[in-house]
Amino acid sequence: GQQVMQIPQYQHVQEGEDFTTYCNSSTTLSNIQWYKQRPGGHPVFLIQLVKSGEVKKQKRLTFQFGEAKKNSSLHITATQTTDVGTYFCAGRASNFGNEKLTFGTGTRLTIIP
Amino acid sequence: EPEVTQTPSHQVTQMGQEVILRCVPISNHLYFYWYRQILGQKVEFLVSFYNNEISEKSEIFDDQFSVERPDGSNFTLKIRSTKLEDSAMYFCASSEWDRDRYEQYFGPGTRLTVT
Repeated sequence: GQQVMQIPQYQHVQEGEDFTTYCNSSTTLSNIQWYKQRPGGHPVFLIQLVKSGEVKKQKRLTFQFGEAKKNSSLHITATQTTDVGTYFCAGRASNFGNEKLTFGTGTRLTIIP
Repeated sequence: EPEVTQTPSHQVTQMGQEVILRCVPISNHLYFYWYRQILGQKVEFLVSFYNNEISEKSEIFDDQFSVERPDGSNFTLKIRSTKLEDSAMYFCASSEWDRDRYEQYFGPGTRLTVT
């Protein structure tokens, strides 16, 4: 079945440093979503990428979808303490409305103030 | 802002007992899901539900699991005979029908502890 891996598993950064997490799927995806889960919280939707090579920005966050639609990345510039949490990519194999999300293994970000 | 709600927030049960986890999805959403997350691990898909029937289920969702939408608002997950390995956080999620956006809105979760 479809597998989605993320690296690194953990990342500790000084506040103000940049952070990047990489996501790789074993199969081609129709689209990919990114979620953030704060400690003790639930996944919260950040963004969806659909097109090959797509790049989207949300303030300090930059999301990329690979040309082959099998990989993606999330880059955070100048991290802040509010960025703490686990970042999950989640792939969808089709655009059918009821298509499940296959979550990646997640990258847990901790910030050293 | 509308949100998905789940009850109870924490359920402790003995092995072999039946549990029912409850969810109220966002009112205009058509697609409903259950996911689970074992502590410190990734979120795993269990089942999706649309038009009053299961659309897809994972290999985790065996005969011990069932889902139901008993009325127009609730969406439940039943585990008939719980096992120790069922201990996890269970998230309900819902999404609306939109050709371009399929973001899923997650509830706060029910922490199930099987002893």
